[in-house]
Amino acid sequence: DSGVTQTPKHLITATGQRVTLRCSPRSGDLSVYWYQQSLDQGLQFLIQYYNGEERAKGNILERFSAQQFPDLHSELNLSSLELGDSALYFCASSVGVEIEQFFGPGTRLTVL
Amino acid sequence: GENVEQHPSTLSVQEGDSAVIKCTYSDSASNYFPWYKQELGKRPQLIIDIRSNVGEKKDQRIAVTLNKTAKHFSLHITETQPEDSAVYFCAATTNYGGSQGNLIFGKGTKLSVKP
Repeated sequence: DSGVTQTPKHLITATGQRVTLRCSPRSGDLSVYWYQQSLDQGLQFLIQYYNGEERAKGNILERFSAQQFPDLHSELNLSSLELGDSALYFCASSVGVEIEQFFGPGTRLTVL
Repeated sequence: GENVEQHPSTLSVQEGDSAVIKCTYSDSASNYFPWYKQELGKRPQLIIDIRSNVGEKKDQRIAVTLNKTAKHFSLHITETQPEDSAVYFCAATTNYGGSQGNLIFGKGTKLSVKP
């Protein structure tokens, strides 16, 4: 157990819908990273927050957004969902000055 | 931006043999190189990492080597066991020690260890 928690574990929804994925980092970790894992694209970095502020952005679609709250938990919002958004979504956390990232168990999103 | 290539995509070895997975990176500013192991349906787990000021690091049966000149790094697993079977990912970042640090991952190597 890495200490990073993610909810829900599984999510099944329809095209066009909006969902919110939640991540709680390890105690003391200030950075939260979101990654998408699909069969054809591997593990892709989406976005990073550090102590409430956006710090780095990857190939995140405009339909996706995220935020980090004062208690350091983070939410990833996915809207206007398409079939191709079906994937495993992982969040990872790190202290911030050390770079070792620890991954949560992931949320498996299925868009039908 | 950084690009990481990983080879081979699949690797099958007999129990007790060694396994080597290789990665190359494009950005010479990259300064941190972790390796993750992912079992089916589970989260990636950090197994070993190396910083750019170190050429080699070992942890029991696992070792990682880094060649900054050639911009490649490798994972070596000795005395492989069936429980080593998993997908292994290499990654790189240019911001070790800073407040960024998003990882760029290779495509993964599926390692199968046959008893």
